Amino acid sequence: NAGVMQNPRHLVRRRGQEARLRCSPMKGHSHVYWYRQLPEEGLKFMVYLQKENIIDESGMPKERFSAEFPKEGPSILRIQQVVRGDSAAYFCASSSGGIGEQFFGPGTRLTVL
Amino acid sequence: RKEVEQDPGPFNVPEGATVAFNCTYSNSASQSFFWYRQDCRKEPKLLMSVYSSGNEDGRFTAQLNRASQYISLLIRDSKLSDSATYLCVVPRPGNTPLVFGKGTRLSVIA
Repeated sequence: NAGVMQNPRHLVRRRGQEARLRCSPMKGHSHVYWYRQLPEEGLKFMVYLQKENIIDESGMPKERFSAEFPKEGPSILRIQQVVRGDSAAYFCASSSGGIGEQFFGPGTRLTVL
Repeated sequence: RKEVEQDPGPFNVPEGATVAFNCTYSNSASQSFFWYRQDCRKEPKLLMSVYSSGNEDGRFTAQLNRASQYISLLIRDSKLSDSATYLCVVPRPGNTPLVFGKGTRLSVIA
């Protein structure tokens, strides 16, 4: 049973470019969460999605960031016009629902030059 | 009080030692709690869930004190492989996002 998959594992972008991070949840899971971890910092919640719906985006920056979880395919976190401050590890987690265990993917490390 | 607060450490302990971490939380309505472990440059992995007064799994014991709003993690007979950052996690009541503490770093030394 494959775990949560994220790709790419490492992503390098220049300032002003777009970054697309993909997450495939664990089989049977329909709840996806995105977190950001800055160096030497804790994980910060960004957004919670179910299929085709954004449930909670209270942690998402108001501009340049968007997320989707379409009916088919992976969840995508999109960052437009990246800046150096966007450099971080972005983790995706999935769950079967409710307040239960969330399983994390290996993360995507974004570096903005 | 912060939503979730942990002593960042580092805790440097010899092999075989017993070490305990505390975590305080602010929302008295929180019902469930988790300890995750994160190795350097890796994803967090669930170590223990705490739904009532406590939980024990081998060398690891988690305890919950609702009156004082803290959770503790006790590790007995520390192994070198226990070296990691331990994250205290509290879901927001009525909502599912997890609130992570910044973590406590443990180094077990031979």
